[in-house]
Amino acid sequence: ETGVTQSPTHLIKTRGQQVTLRCSSQSGHNTVSWYQQALGQGPQFIFQYYREEENGRGNFPPRFSGLQFPNYSSELNVNALELDDSALYLCASSLAERGPHTDTQYFGPGTRLTVL
Amino acid sequence: AQSVTQLGSHVSVSEGALVLLRCNYSSSVPPYLFWYVQYPNQGLQLLLKYTSAATLVKGINGFEAEFKKSETSFHLTKPSAHMSDAAEYFCAVTYTGGFKTIFGAGTRLFVKA
Repeated sequence: ETGVTQSPTHLIKTRGQQVTLRCSSQSGHNTVSWYQQALGQGPQFIFQYYREEENGRGNFPPRFSGLQFPNYSSELNVNALELDDSALYLCASSLAERGPHTDTQYFGPGTRLTVL
Repeated sequence: AQSVTQLGSHVSVSEGALVLLRCNYSSSVPPYLFWYVQYPNQGLQLLLKYTSAATLVKGINGFEAEFKKSETSFHLTKPSAHMSDAAEYFCAVTYTGGFKTIFGAGTRLFVKA
């Protein structure tokens, strides 16, 4: 059973640019969630995808968008980058048999995004 | 609003001493509660979870947590700290029918030799 992987590990962008972060879920997992973890803070829920459709969203603007693909991979896209977008971005996959709220989420190592 | 509060952003213990990391949640509906650990430059690893079964939950690496509804608490304990326990610990909550996991701000555990 392979774990959750994310790419790239680190990324530096300038304000106003666009970025795409990638996540490969654990095999067979139908749910992926994305989180933003600013320095010194806990992860903040961005959104969740279940079977390739957005299943819920946190308090993030529309310039944060995502996709989930049939091969268990997913993307987080951020447009018009702002300095405050600098953070560690984590994805987590789970197999939502009884509901995403009870199933264990398996986290990837994250992508460290720096916006200059 | 639903929230998770972790008391103490930093906790320092001696090796072999009791570890106690505090977590309180706000909830008007039954919660599901989790503790995660994060080592530097790594993602989060699940230590344990409470999903309305036994109130005392045992996790990995000798950690356990007790759900106390009357106190809305879910404190994490370990009888004897090890140097390898030094890390950031996060308490998190989701709710029945919900999809969103809410994390606390985290507690960094230091273990002194």
